[in-house]
Amino acid sequence: SQQGEEDPQALSIQEGENATMNCSYKTSINNLQWYRQNSGRGLVHLILIRSNEREKHSGRLRVTLDTSKKSSSLLITASRAADTASYFCATDLYGNNRLAFGKGNQVVVIP
Amino acid sequence: DTEVTQTPKHLVMGMTNKKSLKCEQHMGHRAMYWYKQKAKKPPELMFVYSYEKLSINESVPSRFSPECPNSSLLNLHLHALQPEDSALYLCASSPLGLRSGNTIYFGEGSWLTVV
Repeated sequence: SQQGEEDPQALSIQEGENATMNCSYKTSINNLQWYRQNSGRGLVHLILIRSNEREKHSGRLRVTLDTSKKSSSLLITASRAADTASYFCATDLYGNNRLAFGKGNQVVVIP
Repeated sequence: DTEVTQTPKHLVMGMTNKKSLKCEQHMGHRAMYWYKQKAKKPPELMFVYSYEKLSINESVPSRFSPECPNSSLLNLHLHALQPEDSALYLCASSPLGLRSGNTIYFGEGSWLTVV
């Protein structure tokens, strides 16, 4: 079943701007992960945030997790054309690395 | 070597054909996965092998048959598929079996078209 669900938006921004996307989920989780997928390619793991963490940074990425609201956000700062991709959140529902992916957000960064 | 390699990249098959998708990783990972992804949809888990044993089968139709010959190889045997099975098939692996939170590494996928 698909639990993590991003707000269904396609985002188009200018290079250098920040991109924010959100993800909501329905049940308790062990962790939440974000993945990037370039068109027709495999997924690349970006960042994992555990249920006892509230914020995590990795390079230009910032992820927040609000377990009370069952939501997460991914912020990409100073976007680049190479950030153009689909971004998926994924939740581990059963604690066995069995990920349920959300619908995905299409981000287009215009040079 | 941090790669999951999938072959073929593209496959066109008839509904009566038997074909296989292959996946290989040499990272010593102990879990290997098959996902199916339709256009503009998220990946959906099909099968997981952990320590070379089938651990998860997400109620996948029997026309898809997974095989894990050894810890580095994962196959997906295809027989009597339907046109709606056309999709991107993604193989993936993770180092620590099914331990929660260990990173899943994906291959580039095999595009399957059933005619």
